[in-house]
Amino acid sequence: GAVVSQHPSRVICKSGTSVKIECRSLDFQATTMFWYRQFPKKSLMLMATSNEGSKATYEQGVEKDKFLINHASLTLSTLTVTSAHPEDSSFYICGLDSFNEQFFGPGTRLTVL
Amino acid sequence: DAKTTQPPSMDCAEGRAANLPCNHSTISGNEYVYWYRQIHSQGPQYIIHGLKNNETNEMASLIITEDRKSSTLILPHATLRDTAVYYCIVRALSNDYKLSFGAGTTVTVRA
Repeated sequence: GAVVSQHPSRVICKSGTSVKIECRSLDFQATTMFWYRQFPKKSLMLMATSNEGSKATYEQGVEKDKFLINHASLTLSTLTVTSAHPEDSSFYICGLDSFNEQFFGPGTRLTVL
Repeated sequence: DAKTTQPPSMDCAEGRAANLPCNHSTISGNEYVYWYRQIHSQGPQYIIHGLKNNETNEMASLIITEDRKSSTLILPHATLRDTAVYYCIVRALSNDYKLSFGAGTTVTVRA
């Protein structure tokens, strides 16, 4: 199956700063990638669908100006959490669909102080 | 996509088979049953999927009832490394690749 990496795996930042999370498809060209968020002891919630070369599609209730998504190439999608606040602390996971199986990155743990 | 219902938790003994049930009584004819698992602090991992026939791979077996309203994921010989949250998801194959994760079943394998 497809191999997905994320960087960084863990980040701690101060409130008000912006944080960029990278999601890379190592062996598959993905025109579409997905970004999920997971709070402690909760399930994954889809935030947005990242489309290569076009605008991302955000789920209801997700602020597109706060969670900036860029999918500039077939192997890289980035999620930037702008002006992060403590309530943005969460586990962020990206994924992609390959031949009807979805593969996920290892996740990025964001802690906003 | 149809909704699924899973028990919140279950324990099983190491080396024994683990049978994880899932109800999806409103499943449509074009919807597949997918299983994923998530080990603590990792991204989800694909396990298996099927439409109506039983499926088996190196990780697990998927048994789907004839009316397709429920299914069972079988881990044939559970190990401690199989401790995870297991998600049963029903999904139609289309241009919309979204997955909707429910609460899943927390499986604890005990020595």
